[in-house]
Amino acid sequence: DQQVKQNSPSLSVQEGRISILNCDYTNSMFDYFLWYKKYPAEGPTFLISISSIKDKNEDGRFTVFLNKSAKHLSLHIVPSQPGDSAVYFCAAAKLYSSNTGKLIFGQGTTLQVKP
Amino acid sequence: DTGVSQNPRHKITKRGQNVTFRCDPISEHNRLYWYRQTLGQGPEFLTYFQNEAQLEKSRLLSDRFSAERPKGSFSTLEIQRTEQGDSAMYLCASSLAGNGYTFGSGTRLTVV
Repeated sequence: DQQVKQNSPSLSVQEGRISILNCDYTNSMFDYFLWYKKYPAEGPTFLISISSIKDKNEDGRFTVFLNKSAKHLSLHIVPSQPGDSAVYFCAAAKLYSSNTGKLIFGQGTTLQVKP
Repeated sequence: DTGVSQNPRHKITKRGQNVTFRCDPISEHNRLYWYRQTLGQGPEFLTYFQNEAQLEKSRLLSDRFSAERPKGSFSTLEIQRTEQGDSAMYLCASSLAGNGYTFGSGTRLTVV
């Protein structure tokens, strides 16, 4: 039962271009979504989040878009830099409707930004 | 505040041995989570503590796994009679009532 899915295992973009990473979810009870970046042998590092009452959140080069009707979110990175090369995980939580707020993760997308 | 600290970073053990990992969360965070990540997958939820109370356990957490958080501070995750399938990265995260989930660097377990 994969409640959060990242259907693209990998993505390659040229430096300076836009990177778009996609994520789909099935549970309409999720009310909080996050993106994490992960380098090998390290824990995930928080990038950006969005609550279900919003459809967009921006932080510097990173913007997350949420489409609740489609149960879809995306992370845009503009402009992409070689240092952005990593595995990106989308995660979802029932933050406001459950006692735990545990995160459910997608499988990850490996982003490669070429110089 | 140095973030979430996990020890050891790496552990190699023989099948059948017991192992214990430690997690020190951010001091003011009342929520603590353990996750497991295998190659090519995202982190999977194992268990959750609010202060010292273990409030949820995943069905992934077999009876060989036990976790504690005495006094609501650091937490330990013990695996008894390790199996090769237990080889994974074990991640700890903490948060303050759901805000600001912060992960540690993880413990890489290899069972040989």
